[in-house]
Amino acid sequence: DAKTTQPTSMDCAEGRAANLPCNHSTISGNEYVYWYRQIHSQGPQYIIHGLKNNETNEMASLIITEDRKSSTLILPHATLRDTAVYYCIVRVADAGNMLTFGGGTRLMVKP
Amino acid sequence: NAGVTQTPKFQVLKTGQSMTLQCAQDMNHNSMYWYRQDPGMGLRLIYYSASEGTTDKGEVPNGYNVSRLNKREFSLRLESAAPSQTSVYFCASTSGASSGANVLTFGAGSRLTVL
Repeated sequence: DAKTTQPTSMDCAEGRAANLPCNHSTISGNEYVYWYRQIHSQGPQYIIHGLKNNETNEMASLIITEDRKSSTLILPHATLRDTAVYYCIVRVADAGNMLTFGGGTRLMVKP
Repeated sequence: NAGVTQTPKFQVLKTGQSMTLQCAQDMNHNSMYWYRQDPGMGLRLIYYSASEGTTDKGEVPNGYNVSRLNKREFSLRLESAAPSQTSVYFCASTSGASSGANVLTFGAGSRLTVL
């Protein structure tokens, strides 16, 4: 698996965009980039994933660089409820494939 | 639609006792997983089942056994609990489709304390 590097923690003002970076310089051509988050002690929640192109859904946007060695998760208008640990994971999409979670980025949204 | 249901939510055991954590999903998913999360740490995979009738070890399988009872249910058993197994346990499932990305759905977690 390609390893990922994320900042340990970040702060963001409520209402502003939160930009969470992830480096995955050893990513292979068939590996997807997944983002999950974990609010307090709840089960992780899927946010978004992508392979090459930028992706957007109702929760967030995912920007993947052209060389695919890094990506950024964007929460366009962060709220206090977005305070969580955000995990960036890189993995191929196989049947029975499992995801390995690292330390993630602890995002604190402040009033 | 309940998604992934774990029982019990909380459990306290004494060292050496045994117990089984239950997990059930109602999404007709093929693949199921057990993770553990220690305080302040990321999730570590214990065991997974790619499809009904198969199970495989993850990163930290020692001290655990699993059973894929049917397509819906995947249980995790601690035969002789140790304090090092104090953790929050998460069950997850995914469709396991051979094409496209696999997205995991997680349960709410089972908090286990071993004294």
